[in-house]
Formats: sequence, structure tokens, C-alpha cells
Amino acid sequence: DVKVTQSSRYLVKRTGEKVFLECVQDMDHENMFWYRQDPGLGLRLIYFSYDVKMKEKGDIPEGYSVSREKKERFSLILESASTNQTSMYLCASRDRGLEQYFGPGTRLTVT
Amino acid sequence: RKEVEQDPGPFNVPEGATVAFNCTYSNSASQSFFWYRQDCRKEPKLLMSVYSSGNEDGRFTAQLNRASQYISLLIRDSKLSDSATYLCVVNMPDSWGKLQFGAGTQVVVTP
Repeated sequence: DVKVTQSSRYLVKRTGEKVFLECVQDMDHENMFWYRQDPGLGLRLIYFSYDVKMKEKGDIPEGYSVSREKKERFSLILESASTNQTSMYLCASRDRGLEQYFGPGTRLTVT
Repeated sequence: RKEVEQDPGPFNVPEGATVAFNCTYSNSASQSFFWYRQDCRKEPKLLMSVYSSGNEDGRFTAQLNRASQYISLLIRDSKLSDSATYLCVVNMPDSWGKLQFGAGTQVVVTP
């Protein structure tokens, strides 16, 4: 079974803090994704990566950056957290097919 | 206009009954379609792909109507365990495999 893990299930941070969300997959997948999920809006793509050190902006990259130094690990960075970044963050990975496998999510609250 | 639209529900369904709901998509060039299931406070998981000819997987039937640009999901003989949010997912054309997610339709199966 594909396993995607995320570093935290729940996280509370203060406005202006730098936040790191980490995601690890164990299936040697090339492609990894970061989404945020908000009520009524569905999943929105923040960034994705199709290879080590490669990254592409998704639909809502503003306020975020990413890092992929190793194939299995994809990190999402909030340089200076703001209250409008309070959300559920979901990481996903996929191989060459279209099915994406999701991690359990990190519920981030910025106060 | 959202690229993928769903009735948020909830659809309240007696156990054993049939429920069906649709999802509309805006890009007529979309090629691949999926239904994902998301349980409360859990990550989305692939339920089934949707093929042009329609397809069944046990009690679940998916249909695609390209002319009217919608896909549907029908659940027969509903079980309590079918209670979840069902996400309509469309592959964007001319992309690297980007998936566009609907906001989801909530189904609640009652005893």
C-alpha cells in the first residue's frame, strides 16, 4: 500500500511565524503535490513537484514556497504565516497514472 | 464560474435506498474523470474512475455525459458506511496531469 505521511495532524502558529509542513511518501513516486482544503472551495493546488529540486506553481502559490531535496520528501513553507492561511493542508503523491494518494492532512490554525 | 461544480447536499438517504447526484465541469476538452470519497476528518481516496461508456463497481455506478458536461454517481442499497463526502475530480486538458476537485457532495445514510 502507498503510504503518505505528514509531520503533524494539528498545528497552531502565530501570525508572522515561519511554518514548515513536511510530507513523506514511501512508494518512490515522482510527483508530489500540496493542496489546501477549505469549506465550500474544495481542494486547491498550491505547488507541485515532478522531480527532485523541481517545482511548479499551482493555482494559489502566493504566501507559500516549497522544497524537494529528496524524492520521498516534499516540504511546504509558509514564510510569514497569516490568519487567512488557516486551513487543512493535504499532501499527495502519484506515479505515472492520474490517481493521487493523499496524506492524512495537517489542520493549521494561525492566530 | 467554478471549473467543477457539485451540489453540496447533504443528501439524507435511508439505509437501503438509492441516491444519485451529479457534478458539472466547464472545460469541454477534459478527458479523465473520477469520484473520490472523503470521510469526515480523513483524506480523500479514489472511489472509481469514470469511463465514457459508464461503469459499475459493486453498488456504485458512474456515468459520463460529455454533451451536457456532467458526470454522475449512483449508490444502490445504501449502507451506513457510505456516509461521506463524494468529490468529483476532473483532469485538466493540456496539463501535466493536474486534477481539478469539486467541493464535494455530502451523503448521510440514516438507519
